[in-house]
Amino acid sequence: KQEVTQIPAALSVPEGENLVLNCSFTDSAIYNLQWFRQDPGKGLTSLLLIQSSQREQTSGRLNASLDKSSGRSTLYIAASQPGDSATYLCAVRLGYSTLTFGKGTMLLVSP
Amino acid sequence: DTAVSQTPKYLVTQMGNDKSIKCEQNLGHDTMYWYKQDSKKFLKIMFSYNNKELIINETVPNRFSPKSPDKAHLNLHINSLELGDSAVYFCASSQEAGLGGSYEQYFGPGTRLTVT
Repeated sequence: KQEVTQIPAALSVPEGENLVLNCSFTDSAIYNLQWFRQDPGKGLTSLLLIQSSQREQTSGRLNASLDKSSGRSTLYIAASQPGDSATYLCAVRLGYSTLTFGKGTMLLVSP
Repeated sequence: DTAVSQTPKYLVTQMGNDKSIKCEQNLGHDTMYWYKQDSKKFLKIMFSYNNKELIINETVPNRFSPKSPDKAHLNLHINSLELGDSAVYFCASSQEAGLGGSYEQYFGPGTRLTVT
C-alpha cells in the first residue's frame, strides 16, 4: 500500500527566503507525482505535475524534483512571498487514475 | 468559465437525511473522481469514473452512491447521513486516454458537508 509522507508538517519563514518542502513515498513504481496548493476553505490548485520519466518541472518561482528510485520529491520555492502562504500537498499516482495524498505542509510566509 | 464546479458549496443537514452533491467539468475530460477530506485535512479517493463507468470504488459505505449521467457530470448521493460523514468532498477530473491525456487532475472548490 502506497504511503506518502510530507515533511515538515508546518513551516514559517520570513518573506524573501528560499525554501524546500519534502515528500516521500513508499512504492517507487509511480506513474506521476503532482504538487498542489490548498488555501484555507478552498479547493486544490495544481502547481506542477512530474511524469515518472522526468527529473524535474519548473513553473515561475517553483521547481519540483523527482527521484523515483529513492521515493522522494522536493518542491523548491524561490524568494517566498506572503501570498505563498497555503498548505502544499504532494500526491502520487500508482496505477490507474487515482492519487494518494500526503497530509500536507502548512506554509506561512510573514512580511 | 470554472473548469470543475460543485454545488452546493456548503450543506448542513441532520442525521438520517439523504442528500446529493453535484459536480460538473467543462474541460472535456474522460475521467472524474470524488475525494473526501476529513477533519484532519487528509484527502482520500472515494470513487473514480471513466466515460460514465465506475472504475474504482474504495472502501466506502454503500450509503454513498455516485451517478454519472454523462462524461461531464458526476454526482454523489448519500443516504442515511451519519455524523462521521461530515467532511469536505472534492470532485476532480482528468484526461486519461488519447494523445491529449496528461493525467493531471483538476479539482473543484469542494463541498463542506456538516451533519448534525
